[in-house]
Amino acid sequence: QSALTQPASVSGSPGQSITISCTGTSSDVGSYNLVSWYQQHPGKAPKLMIYEVTKRPSGVSNRFSGSKSGNTASLTISGLQAEDEADYYCCSYASSSASWVFGGGTKVTVL
Amino acid sequence: EVQLVESGGGLIQPGRSLRLSCAASGFTFDDYAMHWVRQPPGKGLEWVSGITWNSGTLDYADSVKGRFTLSRDNAKNSLYLHMNSLRAEDTALYYCAKGTSSNLYGSFDYWGQGTQVTVSS
Repeated sequence: QSALTQPASVSGSPGQSITISCTGTSSDVGSYNLVSWYQQHPGKAPKLMIYEVTKRPSGVSNRFSGSKSGNTASLTISGLQAEDEADYYCCSYASSSASWVFGGGTKVTVL
Repeated sequence: EVQLVESGGGLIQPGRSLRLSCAASGFTFDDYAMHWVRQPPGKGLEWVSGITWNSGTLDYADSVKGRFTLSRDNAKNSLYLHMNSLRAEDTALYYCAKGTSSNLYGSFDYWGQGTQVTVSS
């Protein structure tokens, strides 16, 4: 299974908005609304931030939003805060392998 | 409060076997699919395997297919991963994760803290 493609790093100043892209293929991101995003702070377990492309779990700040266009999904963090500094991973169901595939991860730095 | 507690990890020689366990609490275990996701040191996440609520469907990543076997015991609220023919590239922190639905087509909404597996001679 090929990993989804994410930028290695994205940075922004407090209060700014940033967007992380996640590029897959027509067999994964492009075929299903089963894209999710996870936040992982150092030494901690991942936390679900967005599921089914656009949905936010209870308790997740509305500063986090998701979208998808074609084979590319995106996570936008608005009003960037210091606590948003973490690694972010996208994930999608992949029909070609009947399994789940993650992106390589994006390190978000708050300047 | 949902809790997932993994155990069974350790240092193991290549070619040997190991069984990981995940004890679940705080939700109706047999309503949800469960998964294992691993993370090699300093690297990203890799989905390993998933099982539906009734063990009717199991899926595996190509990298572990034929070597790992996933099972669950709903009476004990527990998930197990039997790992055979272990390789150095299986070295990782193994997370137990709860699915958001009874089938495998959901996200992973709760994660344990992980159990470390190190394969080395």
